[in-house]
Amino acid sequence: EIVLTQSPGTLSLSPGERAALSCRASQSVRSSYFAWYQQKPGQAPRLLIYGASSRATGIPDRFSGSGSGTDFTLTISRLEPEDFAVYYCQYYGDSRGTFGQGTKLEIK
Amino acid sequence: QVQLVESGGGVVQPGRSLRLSCAASGFTFTFYNYGMHWVRQAPGKGLEWVALVSYDGSLKYYADSVKGRFTISRDTARNILYLQMNSLRAEDTAVYYCARWIGDPFDAFDLWGQGTMVTVSS
Repeated sequence: EIVLTQSPGTLSLSPGERAALSCRASQSVRSSYFAWYQQKPGQAPRLLIYGASSRATGIPDRFSGSGSGTDFTLTISRLEPEDFAVYYCQYYGDSRGTFGQGTKLEIK
Repeated sequence: QVQLVESGGGVVQPGRSLRLSCAASGFTFTFYNYGMHWVRQAPGKGLEWVALVSYDGSLKYYADSVKGRFTISRDTARNILYLQMNSLRAEDTAVYYCARWIGDPFDAFDLWGQGTMVTVSS
């Protein structure tokens, strides 16, 4: 069973700064099945990145994904006020979905 | 309008049953590239995958935490996804989301419902 570990648990930054969120898999995974989601309080998650590095429809280009194998990163190049939220990595394999525990991005 | 709308949540005693529904609209529910899933989120916690059913209902998979107690199904004529939850436990308390999985080339959850709250308590 694949386990996804996200770090840090909480990231405190200011608008305009760059954010780098990490997700590590317990074993090598297929990049094509790796995704990132954003969740704001009281809302459902929203797909940001699929295939480890492709932006979903309507996602601003300040969001980018990278990585392969066991290490993946979500980068937000310049934080906007609306970007402060919880971010989850996710992998689909062996006919089941797996989520990381989340990284909370908060305003410093 | 492309959307998923869950219903059926509520307060239920431990050991009892509940059935959740997810009404799909605005897209072809039986398209071969769409799987349907349930994902839950306990209060203040992260996302937990629960179950999936293939586009035609022929394949079903479950998280170990619910296997043998929950059953996922879909009514392709009415465009509704279900989650039958039996022998409920306090740890099943969560917001339950239905989510559409879109396959190749995306392979991700691209559409989510707003969620329905299930509280298991005596």
